[in-house]
Amino acid sequence: AQTVTQSQPEMSVQEAETVTLSCTYDTSESNYYLFWYKQPPSRQMILVIRQEAYKQQNATENRFSVNFQKAAKSFSLKISDSQLGDTAMYFCAFTGANSKLTFGKGITLSVRP
Amino acid sequence: EPEVTQTPSHQVTQMGQEVILRCVPISNHLYFYWYRQILGQKVEFLVSFYNNEISEKSEIFDDQFSVERPDGSNFTLKIRSTKLEDSAMYFCASRMDSSGANVLTFGAGSRLTVL
Repeated sequence: AQTVTQSQPEMSVQEAETVTLSCTYDTSESNYYLFWYKQPPSRQMILVIRQEAYKQQNATENRFSVNFQKAAKSFSLKISDSQLGDTAMYFCAFTGANSKLTFGKGITLSVRP
Repeated sequence: EPEVTQTPSHQVTQMGQEVILRCVPISNHLYFYWYRQILGQKVEFLVSFYNNEISEKSEIFDDQFSVERPDGSNFTLKIRSTKLEDSAMYFCASRMDSSGANVLTFGAGSRLTVL
């Protein structure tokens, strides 16, 4: 069975600074995908970024990038130039061959003005 | 951009009542899912649905729950006799195929409050 672990329950960052959110996972599958989802107070689930396990290059989407360490089964999210609108809950998620998403517990990120 | 639409956005019901949550997935998607998020907790998989049948379900998805796609458009989650612990946000999601490369698109959620 796959597991996704987010050990930090909450973090805070000053506006315009950089913050890194941690995630580790465990799986025996060789081909899988990892995601970060953002959940603002509206509680909608919004995809932030996606990483394919067979790709060595770390995914990047504007201010968001990941540090994917396959051997260590680590998948952290870096948010650069943090904005007030980045305040939200962030979930790390995994999908393998069976196509369902397994989520971590989430981390609450607060961006301070 | 195509969206997954969920109704109602919020429903309040009495314990023991039946509830139906509705979802309209993206039109060319073939795989459908329900997830649940109890307030302050993580998002949990309930069930996946493909080709008019359940393809996988979690331990949470017991006999009180059922899903169907009655008209080829709506995808519904029914809870037969609600319990207090069913209070949660319920998310519908869809994807085009089963490949992990194909991203799940989530609806905005239906908040269920059981009194």
